[in-house]
Amino acid sequence: GAVVSQHPSRVICKSGTSVKIECRSLDFQATTMFWYRQFPKQSLMLMATSNEGSKATYEQGVEKDKFLINHASLTLSTLTVTSAHPEDSSFYICSARVTRNQETQYFGPGTRLLVL
Amino acid sequence: AQSVTQLDSHVSVSEGTPVLLRCNYSSSYSPSLFWYVQHPNKGLQLLLKYTSAATLVKGINGFEAEFKKSETSFHLTKPSAHMSDAAEYFCVVSDGAGSQGNLIFGKGTKLSVKP
Repeated sequence: GAVVSQHPSRVICKSGTSVKIECRSLDFQATTMFWYRQFPKQSLMLMATSNEGSKATYEQGVEKDKFLINHASLTLSTLTVTSAHPEDSSFYICSARVTRNQETQYFGPGTRLLVL
Repeated sequence: AQSVTQLDSHVSVSEGTPVLLRCNYSSSYSPSLFWYVQHPNKGLQLLLKYTSAATLVKGINGFEAEFKKSETSFHLTKPSAHMSDAAEYFCVVSDGAGSQGNLIFGKGTKLSVKP
């Protein structure tokens, strides 16, 4: 089956630093990747959608300058949390979709970010 | 706008007894509906999906869900719970027609299975 990996699985950083999270589709090419944020005991909230080779589309309320997304290849998307603050601490999950004709998204295991 | 409501935040069952996780949806057109499961430290896994074919959808690990338009429901069931079923379950609706939509997640139901 389709496998999506994320790295790192967890990261602790100081306030003001930037953190990069990688999302890779291991055995398929993902034309579209999604980034979600999950707060404790809450649902997943879509942050942005990225298509390979184009700019990401951000959901309302998500700061594009704060959460930089790059989808440079069909197997890799990165999310960079810039100048992280404690309120950015959360569980970040990526997913990938094979083609625009498929609804199924394959999810990564998530990255837990703690900003001190 | 499309939305899903998971009626129970936590369900506890005994091993070997039936599982029922409830989900109601709101959609302005024929929706695509999914159930995902999230085990600790693992990625979300698709259990099953409904895309306007048969109303009774069979998924992996013995789970199934029935689409009931008249009740706007898509409840997840399993005849006999296993310890390994303990996890967080999310009911999800696609917010776009056909395959172009984004996924809208419910708040999740935590399933506990007692020995």
